[in-house]
Amino acid sequence: DSGVTQTPKHLITATGQRVTLRCSPRSGDLSVYWYQQSLDQGLQFLIQYYNGEERAKGNILERFSAQQFPDLHSELNLSSLELGDSALYFCASRPGGGEGENEQFFGPGTRLTVL
Amino acid sequence: TQLLEQSPQFLSIQEGENLTVYCNSSSVFSSLQWYRQEPGEGPVLLVTVVTGGEVKKLKRLTFQFGDARKDSSLHITAAQPGDTGLYLCAGAGGYQKVTFGIGTKLQVIP
Repeated sequence: DSGVTQTPKHLITATGQRVTLRCSPRSGDLSVYWYQQSLDQGLQFLIQYYNGEERAKGNILERFSAQQFPDLHSELNLSSLELGDSALYFCASRPGGGEGENEQFFGPGTRLTVL
Repeated sequence: TQLLEQSPQFLSIQEGENLTVYCNSSSVFSSLQWYRQEPGEGPVLLVTVVTGGEVKKLKRLTFQFGDARKDSSLHITAAQPGDTGLYLCAGAGGYQKVTFGIGTKLQVIP
């Protein structure tokens, strides 16, 4: 158990819909990362937050957004869903936000299926 | 864009065999992590290497960071079915930028 929790575990929805994925980082970790993992593209970095502020952006679509709240939990919002958005979405946390060993601790993931 | 290439992408071996998987890039990384991921679960950190030429051992797993900090290898001795999984390397370069390789899918057959 990494100490990172994600809900829900599974999500099935239809195209055009909007969903929210939730992540609680390890106790004391200030940074939260979101990743998308699909079979053909591996683990793709989406976005990072540090202590409530956006710190880095990866391959995140405009239809996707995220935020980190004062209690440090984070939510990833996916809207106007398309079939291609079906994937595993992982959240990871680490203690700091600056350069360092960059070890990340991953949650169990949310499997999103768009029908 | 820092790209990490992992090879081989798929590897199926018999229990007891040795294997090496590779993680290569044209970019220099300040640190590199190896993770193992089982189906339906999140990646689990195995090791971090920081210094060029560094070698770290974790039971039957040996990790090496290249002298120029652009590549790394993972060697498994006497593989066991419990080693089956997806092995991911991740490199940290510029500020906050962590790049993951696509992974090596290892299957160890009893």
